[in-house]
Amino acid sequence: KNEVEQSPQNLTAQEGEFITINCSYSVGISALHWLQQHPGGGIVSLFMLSSGKKKHGRLIATINIQEKHSSLHITASHPRDSAVYICAVSGSRLTFGEGTQLTVNP
Amino acid sequence: GAGVSQSPSNKVTEKGKDVELRCDPISGHTALYWYRQSLGQGLEFLIYFQGNSAPDKSGLPSDRFSAERTGGSVSTLTIQRTQQEDSAVYLCASRVDRGRGELFFGEGSRLTVL
Repeated sequence: KNEVEQSPQNLTAQEGEFITINCSYSVGISALHWLQQHPGGGIVSLFMLSSGKKKHGRLIATINIQEKHSSLHITASHPRDSAVYICAVSGSRLTFGEGTQLTVNP
Repeated sequence: GAGVSQSPSNKVTEKGKDVELRCDPISGHTALYWYRQSLGQGLEFLIYFQGNSAPDKSGLPSDRFSAERTGGSVSTLTIQRTQQEDSAVYLCASRVDRGRGELFFGEGSRLTVL
């Protein structure tokens, strides 16, 4: 079992839909990161969380430390949100999930 | 520089040759990570440097891989006697230190071994 598991692996949505990507982890962490990777592009950090909830524009990230679970939500999704979303946890090292490929169709 | 800088951006080499990949982290960042990403795959941890501590080399796939970080800043990942399975994008990331700060990634070095 991977230390960081994401679901779903692939997600296709219509423009405007509300999207949720989930991340569960099994190790002790100091922080959880949500990252975005566009095709052929670099990786950018969206959020770093150690508790509670954060919001940037249409993106919301939540974490439940007791349940070892985090979610990334995208409200009013848009085709430009199409990317791979990666969950990573930092404990003794950084451990990455396998990523969720999101495709938002117009 | 303003961000994490990696070079070369692309490297094509013949099987059996040695290659060096360079990462210049954000100034002041003590934590530096090397990962690789094969086509269509997730990120695979290679090595982690934290300040002057001994690096965590547990992700290096074989003894053909080595990395060093000079003066707590620039890091070089060396792959000796390259094999075709070494073909991947090699990514470097840095953050303020192990427990703090956002992650900043370089654009990666795409290695192709023919």
